[in-house]
Amino acid sequence: DIVMAQSPDSLAVSLGERATINCKSSQSVLDSFTNKNYLAWYQQKPGQPPKLLIYWASSRESGVPDRFTGSGSGTDFTLTISSLQAEDVAVYYCQQYSSSPSLTFGQGTRLEIK
Amino acid sequence: EVQLVQSGGGLVQPGGSLRLSCAASGFTFNSYAMHWVRQAPGKGLEYVSGIGSNGNDRFYADSMKGRITISRDNSKNTLYLQMGSLRADDMAVYYCARDRSSSPGHFYYFMDVWGTGTAVTVSS
Repeated sequence: DIVMAQSPDSLAVSLGERATINCKSSQSVLDSFTNKNYLAWYQQKPGQPPKLLIYWASSRESGVPDRFTGSGSGTDFTLTISSLQAEDVAVYYCQQYSSSPSLTFGQGTRLEIK
Repeated sequence: EVQLVQSGGGLVQPGGSLRLSCAASGFTFNSYAMHWVRQAPGKGLEYVSGIGSNGNDRFYADSMKGRITISRDNSKNTLYLQMGSLRADDMAVYYCARDRSSSPGHFYYFMDVWGTGTAVTVSS
């Protein structure tokens, strides 16, 4: 299985400041045929199911605010929230789907307000 | 409104069985692959199983393979997860989720619509 490692485990950022979450895969999730990175990001607020934010590493899901940006390629990826809002407090997960159907998630990063 | 309404969770003894259901509405259910993902208390997300839009393709995570069966009834717009030989480490909230691809027979393997989750407690 591809192992996904997120850093940091938790993060506290001031309102209006930038938040950066990293995700590293144990193998490349870049498909050389499609030239796409098989990497998604989800947001999970307390007591709620996960919500899809980003797929193909950098494509924003419809309705997701443009302050959320996904970047990276190969084995190293980043989710950036450009200006943190109170409603962004959540746990964020990356997920690889390169080795489908063996899908794996990162351990999660808890984002709080400083 | 696109919705996945889950039912069937609850308390079961070790070694027992349970069937989870996930009723879909607001979209063409038989065009989408579906998945199950679980989350143990205070832990992260773990992929459990997936099924193609027509039910012919089925996948299982190694952690539960041989103890679970995923199925769907497209006439009832419902997804199922039959679980048996349940253990303490199967205790989790189980989520059903829709695959992002709307092409029948196709998977993207990431999920754009999630159910609210159903809790499974394994205890004597």
